[in-house]
Amino acid sequence: EAQVTQNPRYLITVTGKKLTVTCSQNMNHEYMSWYRQDPGLGLRQIYYSMNVEVTDKGDVPEGYKVSRKEKRNFPLILESPSPNQTSLYFCASSLPPEQFFGPGTRLTVL
Amino acid sequence: AQKITQTQPGMFVQEKEAVTLDCTYDTSDPSYGLFWYKQPSSGEMIFLIYQGSYDQQNATEGRYSLNFQKARKSANLVISASQLGDSAMYFCAMREGRGGNNRKLIWGLGTSLAVNP
Repeated sequence: EAQVTQNPRYLITVTGKKLTVTCSQNMNHEYMSWYRQDPGLGLRQIYYSMNVEVTDKGDVPEGYKVSRKEKRNFPLILESPSPNQTSLYFCASSLPPEQFFGPGTRLTVL
Repeated sequence: AQKITQTQPGMFVQEKEAVTLDCTYDTSDPSYGLFWYKQPSSGEMIFLIYQGSYDQQNATEGRYSLNFQKARKSANLVISASQLGDSAMYFCAMREGRGGNNRKLIWGLGTSLAVNP
């Protein structure tokens, strides 16, 4: 089954404790991206990747890092999470025109 | 300036009736794509329908159709024969350009649809 998977689905953590949200797709898509969704602000792009070893900033990259060492994986790294990064995070991969979304990761930073 | 505007924060519709969710957009790029996604309470984003700016006909996918009025820059979603399972948030999104290096979606703030039995 074609899909984008994210782990964990839910995470509660504390300020400053490094965490990684994994994202994997099995559709051989070149383009992948991360979004965060916040009430009243909609979805905003954090980072995107056009292909292996090619990543670039989206609209709200501060406080996040990404890597793309393999085509299928695109992890999102929060080196020192802060409460303002509490959000719903989506990973997506693209086969034009559609963007396939992962199930989302609800992150709470205390 | 907001590029995607969804003016209806919430909508109600009776089961089996049709409903139109509004979306207007703003772009100076002649090539763009418009999307509608559904987000149920469980949180996942479900692709519904796509309209390219050069598509001659309005897109349709089952009970979903997109009323594309290019001159008015509107891309309204029409859901026919509403079902209880249609209750969800609906998001309109736009991608400027033909894809390639620019595949970022710009999102509206969504419309919450409630289908009443």
